[in-house]
Amino acid sequence: ETGVTQSPTHLIKTRGQQVTLRCSSQSGHNTVSWYQQALGQGPQFIFQYYREEENGRGNFPPRFSGLQFPNYSSELNVNALELDDSALYLCASSVPGGVTEAFFGQGTRLTVV
Amino acid sequence: AQRVTQPEKLLSVFKGAPVELKCNYSYSGSPELFWYVQYSRQRLQLLLRHISRESIKGFTADLNKGETSFHLKKPFAQEEDSAMYYCALKRSGANNLFFGTGTRLTVIP
Repeated sequence: ETGVTQSPTHLIKTRGQQVTLRCSSQSGHNTVSWYQQALGQGPQFIFQYYREEENGRGNFPPRFSGLQFPNYSSELNVNALELDDSALYLCASSVPGGVTEAFFGQGTRLTVV
Repeated sequence: AQRVTQPEKLLSVFKGAPVELKCNYSYSGSPELFWYVQYSRQRLQLLLRHISRESIKGFTADLNKGETSFHLKKPFAQEEDSAMYYCALKRSGANNLFFGTGTRLTVIP
């Protein structure tokens, strides 16, 4: 399987805690984007990583941070969790520049209680 | 700023009937527009993009810059078309997508 894989699939955290979500990109893709999809909404861009550097960021506070590793996999970290952080977090991998198709993972369902 | 609007959250049509899912956008530059689809229990996947001008699974979408629209159309809906459809915009030079809120299409047998 060379598609985008995310882990874990589900998790429950308590308000104020920290969480790390993981993503392995599609083979050959060196760009990873993270999206938050709240219930009933479309995916909303959090940030993108390319060559281990943040390469664009949406309207999310600094407590949302990320990493990209040399093998192009990525982590999304969220500190000081709030109830409104409950959502499906999607990872998408692509190649940079030009017209490109983003391949999405199945997502991680985060519930903050 | 950019915005993607899908006015219908839910759309139901009978099998064999034409279907049109609406998408309007606002963006001052030259956007690239996409339709993504999510079938039940599957991941979000690209259906088509405007620059390809192709028909995928019988669906077409034409970018109308005058009306700032990118409506998705299919002349004869099939049951397997039932899914969640998202319109998305990519700004020129960017590599991230702005999504609409989605339309859930149900094709009634």
